[in-house]
Amino acid sequence: DAGITQSPRHKVTETGTPVTLRCHQTENHRYMYWYRQDPGHGLRLIHYSYGVKDTDKGEVSDGYSVSRSKTEDFLLTLESATSSQTSVYFCAISLRGYTDTQYFGPGTRLTVL
Amino acid sequence: DQQVKQNSPSLSVQEGRISILNCDYTNSMFDYFLWYKKYPAEGPTFLISISSIKDKNEDGRFTVFLNKSAKHLSLHIVPSQPGDSAVYFCAASARANAGGTSYGKLTFGQGTILTVHP
Repeated sequence: DAGITQSPRHKVTETGTPVTLRCHQTENHRYMYWYRQDPGHGLRLIHYSYGVKDTDKGEVSDGYSVSRSKTEDFLLTLESATSSQTSVYFCAISLRGYTDTQYFGPGTRLTVL
Repeated sequence: DQQVKQNSPSLSVQEGRISILNCDYTNSMFDYFLWYKKYPAEGPTFLISISSIKDKNEDGRFTVFLNKSAKHLSLHIVPSQPGDSAVYFCAASARANAGGTSYGKLTFGQGTILTVHP
């Protein structure tokens, strides 16, 4: 299994509070991605990174920001959590990007009350 | 606008029979396709992929077929086993989009819940 961990694994928070989710990899892969999984939508890309300090928006980036200050860590921040951000969040990594397999972390279940 | 669609939310199959999961896409820029399997409380795991230069790729019990003219792909599992019971997602990627390199971004379908009965 690819060395990907996500923390926390579960979090309950209140509307309006900031939340940061962490993805940590030990594989030295260049590409990292944040997805959210919701019923009826599959997985949707939030943000991705193609190198240290190189990030860009995905399909559903509103309300989220990311940072990648070192290869192994990719942080997803909800500046002011809303109930619509209740979801399961998955981090993925890839060595070469296009046509390369993405390996997923175990997920973080976030509930915003 | 759902660019990748899995129109069957669920599929139930008897052990030993064939499971066929379907996926349609609308974006003609997609040229690489993948299937992922997901068990509850776990992250998706890669199953099989196919490039648009091929129309079939096989790996053990799993075969993916691609029909580019119909913008349709399918995953065949033969024979199906109870351990195959999971949610299956198809995903698509493009070498480059309007903004340049795609960086391997994946667009996923909604998923199909496969249940294989003993």
